[in-house]
Amino acid sequence: DGGITQSPKYLFRKEGQNVTLSCEQNLNHDAMYWYRQDPGQGLRLIYYSQIVNDFQKGDIAEGYSVSREKKESFPLTVTSAQKNPTAFYLCASSMRTGGVGSPLHFGNGTRLTVT
Amino acid sequence: QKEVEQDPGPLSVPEGAIVSLNCTYSNSAFQYFMWYRQYSRKGPELLMYTYSSGNKEDGRFTAQVDKSSKYISLFIRDSQPSDSATYLCAMSGGSSNTGKLIFGQGTTLQVKP
Repeated sequence: DGGITQSPKYLFRKEGQNVTLSCEQNLNHDAMYWYRQDPGQGLRLIYYSQIVNDFQKGDIAEGYSVSREKKESFPLTVTSAQKNPTAFYLCASSMRTGGVGSPLHFGNGTRLTVT
Repeated sequence: QKEVEQDPGPLSVPEGAIVSLNCTYSNSAFQYFMWYRQYSRKGPELLMYTYSSGNKEDGRFTAQVDKSSKYISLFIRDSQPSDSATYLCAMSGGSSNTGKLIFGQGTTLQVKP
């Protein structure tokens, strides 16, 4: 079955530590995205990538970093600079590069808790 | 003012009721409109996709777009307990948008047996 795999499902870290969230897709999609979801705030775009070795900041990129070395993979690192990292993180992909109108396919998320 | 506004609810209805979920938006360039359903602790899944104005029906679900009023709706007929979820509207379009989807805050729906 094609889809997006996010791992782990739950992640716990101490404050001050960097942590990397994994996202892998086998849909052969060009574009990949990272969103953050907080109660009452909907989905906010962190970073997106339309092609391998290229990515752009979204609306809330501060304190996060990404890489896109392979088409299938788009890991997100939550750094110690992110002031409020506890959240539900969603990875998504879409078929068309440049993607106007392309619907997103989502993984099942990683819930990160930082104490 | 947010680009997309959605009443967060929660909305609670009895089984069999007709449910109306709504979003308003401010960017008249939006042309692509979507509804996603998200179950608890899961990722959103695409439910309905429409382009420009008009209606689209899929089983018990009907999506309506009124571009003149900048208003979109999702109707659920004969609602079932399995419809209990958070519903997110999303939209994109326009030269300045670069295809990024703009999401509403989500409406939480509970259908009681």
